[in-house]
Amino acid sequence: GAGVSQSPRYKVTKRGQDVALRCDPISGHVSLYWYRQALGQGPEFLTYFNYEAQQDKSGLPNDRFSAERPEGSISTLTIQRTEQRDSAMYRCASSLGTAPYEQYFGPGTRLTVT
Amino acid sequence: GQQVMQIPQYQHVQEGEDFTTYCNSSTTLSNIQWYKQRPGGHPVFLIQLVKSGEVKKQKRLTFQFGEAKKNSSLHITATQTTDVGTYFCAGNPNTGFQKLVFGTGTRLLVSP
Repeated sequence: GAGVSQSPRYKVTKRGQDVALRCDPISGHVSLYWYRQALGQGPEFLTYFNYEAQQDKSGLPNDRFSAERPEGSISTLTIQRTEQRDSAMYRCASSLGTAPYEQYFGPGTRLTVT
Repeated sequence: GQQVMQIPQYQHVQEGEDFTTYCNSSTTLSNIQWYKQRPGGHPVFLIQLVKSGEVKKQKRLTFQFGEAKKNSSLHITATQTTDVGTYFCAGNPNTGFQKLVFGTGTRLLVSP
């Protein structure tokens, strides 16, 4: 079946604009995770959901970042008033159930804030 | 906060040589996972270790979880050019939680 998909794959935005990044997990996967990955570094945890419930948002850098998964499937990561330091690869992953399960990563959204 | 460090950061080997990457956590882990990320690609799950002292093998890859559940290693025997990529360990710091803390990664380059 289809893997995790993310859109857009590339996003260039001007400083101060809001952006919304979408993640479509593997069908039937209960858990969905958001990570940020800087070049040459490992993924950095942002937040995760089980079904529609946000379980842990301790990795969100500040209150400009938010995420939702209203129907327990597709998720959106929103960054308000973007800043240049927000430029990174944003990755979504999903897993079949709650811990500990392997995570399936999507291709990522490359965000560039100019 | 919790840190997961990997050494070396980078290794360049000739095809056929062995390779090992080491993963060390500042806190005890309930389990550890390993991922491989090819250049330009996304992390792909390799394996999960749960028990203290556990050893698992996948063809030429051998994974170990330390007795204290704070460290792990990945050993590749007789590397091939297809092994090129960055290897990340990722630990779950608390039993029952799903937050994975990724290591700093080891980038492997294999020359034919």
